[in-house]
Amino acid sequence: NAGVTQTPKFQVLKTGQSMTLQCAQDMNHEYMSWYRQDPGMGLRLIHYSVGAGITDQGEVPNGYNVSRSTTEDFPLRLLSAAPSQTSVYFCASSYSKSVGAQEQYFGPGTRLTVT
Amino acid sequence: AQSVTQPDIHITVSEGASLELRCNYSYGATPYLFWYVQSPGQGLQLLLKYFSGDTLVQGIKGFEAEFKRSQSSFNLRKPSVHWSDAAEYFCAVGAGTYKYIFGTGTRLKVLA
Repeated sequence: NAGVTQTPKFQVLKTGQSMTLQCAQDMNHEYMSWYRQDPGMGLRLIHYSVGAGITDQGEVPNGYNVSRSTTEDFPLRLLSAAPSQTSVYFCASSYSKSVGAQEQYFGPGTRLTVT
Repeated sequence: AQSVTQPDIHITVSEGASLELRCNYSYGATPYLFWYVQSPGQGLQLLLKYFSGDTLVQGIKGFEAEFKRSQSSFNLRKPSVHWSDAAEYFCAVGAGTYKYIFGTGTRLKVLA
């Protein structure tokens, strides 16, 4: 198993540009999520999904869109990048949608810089 | 409000010394508690978890943690630190069905 994969590893965007961060898992996990990690703030939940076609907002959803058309993929879209979105982004998955009682498996992260 | 507090932003210990990383939580129900480790440039990896039962839980890499309900704490310990333990450590609580709440992390530096 490859586990949770994320592409790209690094990205630099100009303000106003759009892009999609890719996330895929090959473990047939129900639950997938996106976090951003900022210094001194830990990990904050952006969006999550409890199955194909089902997504919901987390703690910091503004400026981000998600969709989940398949069990395996959960892309994160930035429609108009802002410097405040400079961060490290992690995708994670969990076997059960009851993630509060489950281990999450994390991807290696995408480091995004918006200038 | 639900929260997780890791009061130590940075900790430095010498190789071979013992380690304790503090974690306090605020959660209304019986919590599910986790410790994750993040090595430089990597994603997070689960060290251990507490759901119920024995309040002292063992994890990978020689780590253990003790759940103390009366103190709302879930501190991580290791008797003898190795240089490879240098990393950032995150405590988390399962906050309801669909979410975690993470602490802000403690960065561990190990002196040779």
